[in-house]
Amino acid sequence: QKEVEQDPGPLSVPEGAIVSLNCTYSNSAFQYFMWYRQYSRKGPELLMYTYSSGNKEDGRFTAQVDKSSKYISLFIRDSQPSDSATYLCAMRDSSYKLIFGSGTRLLVRP
Amino acid sequence: DAGVIQSPRHEVTEMGQEVTLRCKPISGHDYLFWYRQTMMRGLELLIYFNNNVPIDDSGMPEDRFSAKMPNASFSTLKIQPSEPRDSAVYFCATSGGAVDTQYFGPGTRLTVL
Repeated sequence: QKEVEQDPGPLSVPEGAIVSLNCTYSNSAFQYFMWYRQYSRKGPELLMYTYSSGNKEDGRFTAQVDKSSKYISLFIRDSQPSDSATYLCAMRDSSYKLIFGSGTRLLVRP
Repeated sequence: DAGVIQSPRHEVTEMGQEVTLRCKPISGHDYLFWYRQTMMRGLELLIYFNNNVPIDDSGMPEDRFSAKMPNASFSTLKIQPSEPRDSAVYFCATSGGAVDTQYFGPGTRLTVL
């Protein structure tokens, strides 16, 4: 079993929809949680970073962490075609080694 | 700032050949990470350096892989001899200060025939 599980999608939504992306994990030592966005043939770029449980909002993006359920989410409001990309969750414990999910492909249809 | 620079962007080689991938980190960043991305295994950390010193190389798949960071401005990942299963996109990422903000380079797409 992988340490981090993520539905690969693809997830197809109409423009303006609310998107929910999720990851589950098994290592209770993880305490730093991140979401990266990767466009085709590009390197991943950091979208959101949260520490421990709770919510964090940045514009149209909201990241949620529920450590009791070992579950993290990324919500995208008013989705745009430019949001079409692969979204990777990542997490780590006290070391600097990031463990990535397999990524969810998102397509936002105009 | 130019960001993380990787070269070459694409590499096609034949099985058994030596392959060298290069990375120039963002100036001032003291952490450097090498990742490999494939459809089957996703994004995997191979090795990372802090202040030019290798800290964790547990992700290096086998002895055919080696990485060096001779100075703060340059790192290499070498595969010798290369095999078809090494075909992947190899990313270099660097960070400094806020360690979790890893900045990724554009990647090197390696194809081993």
